[in-house]
Amino acid sequence: AQSVTQPDIHITVSEGASLELRCNYSYGATPYLFWYVQSPGQGLQLLLKYFSGDTLVQGIKGFEAEFKRSQSSFNLRKPSVHWSDAAEYFCAVVTPSGNTPLVFGKGTRLSVIA
Amino acid sequence: DVKVTQSSRYLVKRTGEKVFLECVQDMDHENMFWYRQDPGLGLRLIYFSYDVKMKEKGDIPEGYSVSREKKERFSLILESASTNQTSMYLCASSSDPHTRADTQYFGPGTRLTVL
Repeated sequence: AQSVTQPDIHITVSEGASLELRCNYSYGATPYLFWYVQSPGQGLQLLLKYFSGDTLVQGIKGFEAEFKRSQSSFNLRKPSVHWSDAAEYFCAVVTPSGNTPLVFGKGTRLSVIA
Repeated sequence: DVKVTQSSRYLVKRTGEKVFLECVQDMDHENMFWYRQDPGLGLRLIYFSYDVKMKEKGDIPEGYSVSREKKERFSLILESASTNQTSMYLCASSSDPHTRADTQYFGPGTRLTVL
């Protein structure tokens, strides 16, 4: 069964600094990959997804993620963080066959300081 | 825009009560899901449904049941609420009828407290 690991429980960055959130998955083939964001008190919103093709994926709010097959990773990046990016971020994976639903990581909480 | 609504944002119930959490989506999606979210544990799938009157168990179905009588509505039922069911409950839906490997759209969540 597929699984996903987000190694960082909590990250703090300064406003304007760059950001990278890590995601590693365990699956025999290339899964479908997602990043979601959850602002305080809200549901989850899709930031971006990777199904196939270009391994660098652009998303909303200035985020991007890069799929690296050799490292089984799908790390989320943003060149300059804004205070409004403070939220919890979830990576999710699913098998392309679609027989089972998404599996979510435990999340990384991002704090942004002035 | 896809809209997923949940009947309550906050709910307080007593131990032993029967609790209904309602979820409605307005985009004619085939698949609907119920998760619970707890600090440090992320999202855990309780039940999902890929068609009316169909349901499948997720990772943690014990103590829960679901109902899907209409395509747009998916209800989560706590038959006899217990304090360990205090949590945030999130509903989601997705559109592809042939696969569950599709973008999920989430509601705002219901924070349930069982006293």
